[in-house]
Amino acid sequence: ELKVEQNPLFLSMQEGKNYTIYCNYSTTSDRLYWYRQDPGKSLESLFVLLSNGAVKQEGRLMASLDTKARLSTLHITAAVHDLSATYFCAVREYGNKLVFGAGTILRVKS
Amino acid sequence: EAGVTQFPSHSVIEKGQTVTLRCDPISGHDNLYWYRRVMGKEIKFLLHFVKESKQDESGMPNNRFLAERTGGTYSTLKVQPAELEDSGVYFCASSPPAFNEKLFFGSGTQLSVL
Repeated sequence: ELKVEQNPLFLSMQEGKNYTIYCNYSTTSDRLYWYRQDPGKSLESLFVLLSNGAVKQEGRLMASLDTKARLSTLHITAAVHDLSATYFCAVREYGNKLVFGAGTILRVKS
Repeated sequence: EAGVTQFPSHSVIEKGQTVTLRCDPISGHDNLYWYRRVMGKEIKFLLHFVKESKQDESGMPNNRFLAERTGGTYSTLKVQPAELEDSGVYFCASSPPAFNEKLFFGSGTQLSVL
C-alpha cells in the first residue's frame, strides 16, 4: 500500500527566509504532484514531476524529485506573505488515483 | 472556462439524516473523481467515473455512500444514513479524456454531521 509522508505539518516562517517541505513516499511511482490550497478554495496544481531528477520552478517555489530516494522537496525562496496556504504533495498509485500527504500549513509572518 | 463546481459549499446535518453532494465537472472532462478529507487528515480517494461508468470505487468506505453520474455529466454523492465519522471535506475533481492528464479540483463541500 502506497503511503505518503509530508513534513513538517506546520511551518511558520518569517518573510524573506528560505525553507523546504519534504515529501516521502513508500513505493515506486511515476508521477508526483504538488498542490496549493487557500482556505475554502480548491486545490490548485503547482507542479507535476515525472522523472528522476526533475526540477520545476515557478516564482519563489521550486520542486524536485528523486525517485530513487522516493523523495520530493518543495523549496521556498525568500518567502512572502502571499505564499501562506496549505501545500499538499500527492503521488500517483495507479491510473489517476492519487495518494496525498497530510498537508503542510505554511504561515509567512511579516 | 468554468472550473469544477461543488454544491453545497457547507452542509450541517444530524446523525441519521441523508445528504446529497453535487459536483459539476469541467465541460468535456470524461473523468470525475471524489476524494475526501476527514478530521484534517490526508485527502483520500473515494471513486473514479469515466463518463457514466464507475471505473474504480475501491475507496468508498461502506454501503452508506452512493455515487452516481447520470448521463456522464454531473455527479452526486449521497450519504445515507450519515454518521459522525462522515464529517469532513468532500472534494470532486475532473480531468480530460486523455490518460495522464492532471486533475482539476473543486473547492469542496464541508460536511458536518452532529
